[in-house]
Amino acid sequence: AQSVTQLGSHVSVSEGALVLLRCNYSSSVPPYLFWYVQYPNQGLQLLLKYTSAATLVKGINGFEAEFKKSETSFHLTKPSAHMSDAAEYFCAVSHSGGYQKVTFGTGTKLQVIP
Amino acid sequence: EAGVVQSPRYKIIEKKQPVAFWCNPISGHNTLYWYRQNLGQGPELLIRYENEEAVDDSQLPKDRFSAERLKGVDSTLKIQPAELGDSAVYLCASSVKDSRRTNEQFFGPGTRLTVL
Repeated sequence: AQSVTQLGSHVSVSEGALVLLRCNYSSSVPPYLFWYVQYPNQGLQLLLKYTSAATLVKGINGFEAEFKKSETSFHLTKPSAHMSDAAEYFCAVSHSGGYQKVTFGTGTKLQVIP
Repeated sequence: EAGVVQSPRYKIIEKKQPVAFWCNPISGHNTLYWYRQNLGQGPELLIRYENEEAVDDSQLPKDRFSAERLKGVDSTLKIQPAELGDSAVYLCASSVKDSRRTNEQFFGPGTRLTVL
């Protein structure tokens, strides 16, 4: 079985401040981990993914995430928030190797305050 | 390249009425997924197709939901009859088997269903 837990359903940051969205995973085998972003009335867009290569993964729009096996975490960060980052962010996990079912977290809605 | 296309974008129906959603995946993507996303939740898989074969429909409520993917390209998801609890966003996604097997899925914009 696999699951992800996103801590905080809502996060507010000031424009220019650090963005930190937390994700912890549970998986019985080495996982693949994903962060997706969803803007209002749109589908999910992949931000970045961890697939057992480098533990620090860089994605689009200045986001990055670090896979920490000892902490079973895959937190998403961005050094400086922009107004356009306001959206909902989903962490997701799957088993590695071939097709494996992807399990999504419940999402964190990011608000950026001017 | 064109992304995943879904229609309609919005649908409002009365309970007990039928409804259908259509999805056209990215060209060349042999795997197609239908997800349901309830308000404030992440997407939950309803069904997955490999070409025209439904390989995982364990979460599809088969008493009222049906899906098809004729010719392994476009897909239709149907609900008959709809219930109030079916109000949600229905997302279609597609992916292609690649050498890295990373299972990256590409999502359409979704259909927001409201059942009154």
